[in-house]
Amino acid sequence: DAGVIQSPRHEVTEMGQEVTLRCKPISGHDYLFWYRQTMMRGLELLIYFNNNVPIDDSGMPEDRFSAKMPNASFSTLKIQPSEPRDSAVYFCASSLGQGGSPLHFGNGTRLTVT
Amino acid sequence: GENVEQHPSTLSVQEGDSAVIKCTYSDSASNYFPWYKQELGKRPQLIIDIRSNVGEKKDQRIAVTLNKTAKHFSLHITETQPEDSAVYFCAAFSGYSTLTFGKGTMLLVSP
Repeated sequence: DAGVIQSPRHEVTEMGQEVTLRCKPISGHDYLFWYRQTMMRGLELLIYFNNNVPIDDSGMPEDRFSAKMPNASFSTLKIQPSEPRDSAVYFCASSLGQGGSPLHFGNGTRLTVT
Repeated sequence: GENVEQHPSTLSVQEGDSAVIKCTYSDSASNYFPWYKQELGKRPQLIIDIRSNVGEKKDQRIAVTLNKTAKHFSLHITETQPEDSAVYFCAAFSGYSTLTFGKGTMLLVSP
């Protein structure tokens, strides 16, 4: 398996622009997670899905952030409008089952908002 | 919810020495404790995990111990090598939500 695939690897955008991050989980995995990583806050869980259904989005910072999972093989995280404080590395991860199963992370998207 | 504290935040050792990273958790219902290694610019990767019905687990130079009574678990790396340099994250799962991660420990192994 190719693992969790994220795109793009790097994204540089100007404040106010819309940003869309994409993720393809490992085939057969029923849980998908979006994390944000910064030096100050470490790894923060933004939202997670089970069988394509959002379960907990309490980590989404504000209404500018939204996530979708239209099918089992694709998810997006959108930021509109983007702000400089959104600059971070965004990881997508998937797992087979909840909690007691290993998380498999993608290579991340490094977002820079100027 | 679960709260995971990780210490130290940075750790410097000489090649060949041992390194120990400690984590505490708050929810006594937690039953799964993985450790992830993240090299600079790369993704976190699982290196070892332990479940609450086991007190210790080893995999070559790394081992994890769990003390359920005290609610703490530790990562032990023996005979450290420069390629062990990375950020290490502990995590705990209580069955109610998702994994809760510690803040990470930056390990630097000097030749």
